[in-house]
Amino acid sequence: QLVQSGSELKKPGASVKVSCKASGYTFTRHAMTWVRQAPGQGLEWMGWINTNTGNPTYAQGFTGRFVFSLDTSVSTAYLQINTLEVEDTAVYYCARVPEALLSWLDPWGQGTLVTVSS
Amino acid sequence: QTVVTQEPSFSVSPGGTVTLTCGLSSGSVSTHYYPTWYQQTPGQAPRTLIYSTNTRSSGVPDRFSGSILGNKAALTITGAQSDDESDYYCVLYMGRDVLFGGGTKLTVL
Repeated sequence: QLVQSGSELKKPGASVKVSCKASGYTFTRHAMTWVRQAPGQGLEWMGWINTNTGNPTYAQGFTGRFVFSLDTSVSTAYLQINTLEVEDTAVYYCARVPEALLSWLDPWGQGTLVTVSS
Repeated sequence: QTVVTQEPSFSVSPGGTVTLTCGLSSGSVSTHYYPTWYQQTPGQAPRTLIYSTNTRSSGVPDRFSGSILGNKAALTITGAQSDDESDYYCVLYMGRDVLFGGGTKLTVL
């Protein structure tokens, strides 16, 4: 099971950190991915983090302001977005990678709505 | 830039059969892309239906099936039910990257 932190309302230029707490399995045995869904839009793969090494990989369009991190002591993955823009308004999902196949994501967190507005 | 293509919308009658497809803007979809299908209802997180082309995820009824049809991946729903009305997303594994299709909005009426 993946449980994400609650909704956030931020101003442009601020930062936000979304958490994703895993339970029911060994956290470091499965990679974690992040997926964005803007209002009324489709899903976008943001990249993934190796929960064993902590090495992140970012998809095109998600480099620079987006940071994946971990705290393995509490089985939690984090997504930090710096210098927020209005266009970052979206629901952000974390999802576990069951096997070494990045397209198969299961389970998913419930999603965290990040709203960026002045 | 490669784009994963899906029908924007589709409709099916209750009890009917529908096949949604997933293509590539350049090239063919094969099993090497490990097509995965997700179902998403409004306000909910996506749910895995099919992975690795044709493997049903745990708990998914067998009226959902995945395949390769010609040069596309396909999701077939047999005996459509009203609660199948959802958005369906195809995802392809591109090696170092993962690409989501734009999704198909399925209406059951």
